[in-house]
Amino acid sequence: AQSVAQPEDQVNVAEGNPLTVKCTYSVSGNPYLFWYVQYPNRGLQFLLKYITGDNLVKGSYGFEAEFNKSQTSFHLKKPSALVSDSALYFCAVRDTRGTYKYIFGTGTRLKVLA
Amino acid sequence: DARVTQTPRHKVTEMGQEVTMRCQPILGHNTVFWYRQTMMQGLELLAYFRNRAPLDDSGMPKDRFSAEMPDATLATLKIQPSEPRDSAVYFCASGWGQSNSPLHFGNGTRLTVT
Repeated sequence: AQSVAQPEDQVNVAEGNPLTVKCTYSVSGNPYLFWYVQYPNRGLQFLLKYITGDNLVKGSYGFEAEFNKSQTSFHLKKPSALVSDSALYFCAVRDTRGTYKYIFGTGTRLKVLA
Repeated sequence: DARVTQTPRHKVTEMGQEVTMRCQPILGHNTVFWYRQTMMQGLELLAYFRNRAPLDDSGMPKDRFSAEMPDATLATLKIQPSEPRDSAVYFCASGWGQSNSPLHFGNGTRLTVT
């Protein structure tokens, strides 16, 4: 079965420092991986995706993610955090067999401290 | 920008009452998902439609919940009768049926059942 794990409930980082939000996955075929961000009282917004190709994927708002097949990870990164990056971040994998539904992780709350 | 529209944004109701939540997917999208978000359970998939046909509603309590797509521009989620444990934020999301396409989320309906 396909699954996604986000091992950290919360990540704190100082403004200007690099940030990493971790995600590991389990799939039976090729993974289709996504990152979403959720701000208060809003729906999830798409940040970036990995389908195939380069292991470093660039997305919105300066975020990028590194796909590592051997470690089955897809960590979200940003070189310099902003206070406005504080939000809830979700990793997701899309089932590539059968229903094509999305499986979301439990979310990681990022807090960027001024 | 095209958006997924959900109504109402907020709903407060008494236990036992019927609740109907509506979603207008982005024009042209052929897949619609209903998710429920709570602090305890995170993001739960309730139902999933493709080309208006239900593909997966295994996450939905069948005795009180029902989901339909009367036409391509409207998806509904009904709870009858509602219970306090149904209090949550309900999200609708739409997308293309292709494996690598991201979902687009509405801003949710916050339901409170007293």
